[in-house]
Amino acid sequence: DAGITQSPRHKVTETGTPVTLRCHQTENHRYMYWYRQDPGHGLRLIHYSYGVKDTDKGEVSDGYSVSRSKTEDFLLTLESATSSQTSVYFCAISTPGHLDNYGYTFGSGTRLTVV
Amino acid sequence: AQKITQTQPGMFVQEKEAVTLDCTYDTSDPSYGLFWYKQPSSGEMIFLIYQGSYDQQNATEGRYSLNFQKARKSANLVISASQLGDSAMYFCAMRENGYRDDKIIFGKGTRLHILP
Repeated sequence: DAGITQSPRHKVTETGTPVTLRCHQTENHRYMYWYRQDPGHGLRLIHYSYGVKDTDKGEVSDGYSVSRSKTEDFLLTLESATSSQTSVYFCAISTPGHLDNYGYTFGSGTRLTVV
Repeated sequence: AQKITQTQPGMFVQEKEAVTLDCTYDTSDPSYGLFWYKQPSSGEMIFLIYQGSYDQQNATEGRYSLNFQKARKSANLVISASQLGDSAMYFCAMRENGYRDDKIIFGKGTRLHILP
């Protein structure tokens, strides 16, 4: 298959606790992304990475941090989870730099509920 | 400013009819790519079709075609002979030509319901 997995698939956590979501790829793609999906908002970019230790913010980065210590793993951390961070989180991978038929390959998503 | 606009939150269409899902976009970059993704109720994101800004012809993939009107900044998805399995959420998306700043921006989506 596409070689991108997200873990966990589902998580319920309490307000104020830290949470880390993991995205793992076996495709050796340089770029990795974290999006959140909420009704009425589509997919919004949280953070992305263009290489090991190289990351940048997306449009909804407040309350989130990321790390990429090796090519295959991109971690998303909610430092202190809030109910507004209840969402479905998608990881995606791509190869940059050229505009051919390169969209993203998406993970299966992580459904996070903050209670 | 919103870069991808999908004005139809939901649509109901009779099976076997053709469907057009609207998408307009905004960019000042002459080089960009446009995408459509399908998200069925199972939740996965499925790539459907791609159109490059320099492509002269509209993209087609089986029953899917992209009606690209560059001057109007419009990239509508057309599904011919709709099927029950086409019921899903559909997202229009755009990728601008950047090397480091390589990311795709999504619209808010259109939920399509195919009626038997």
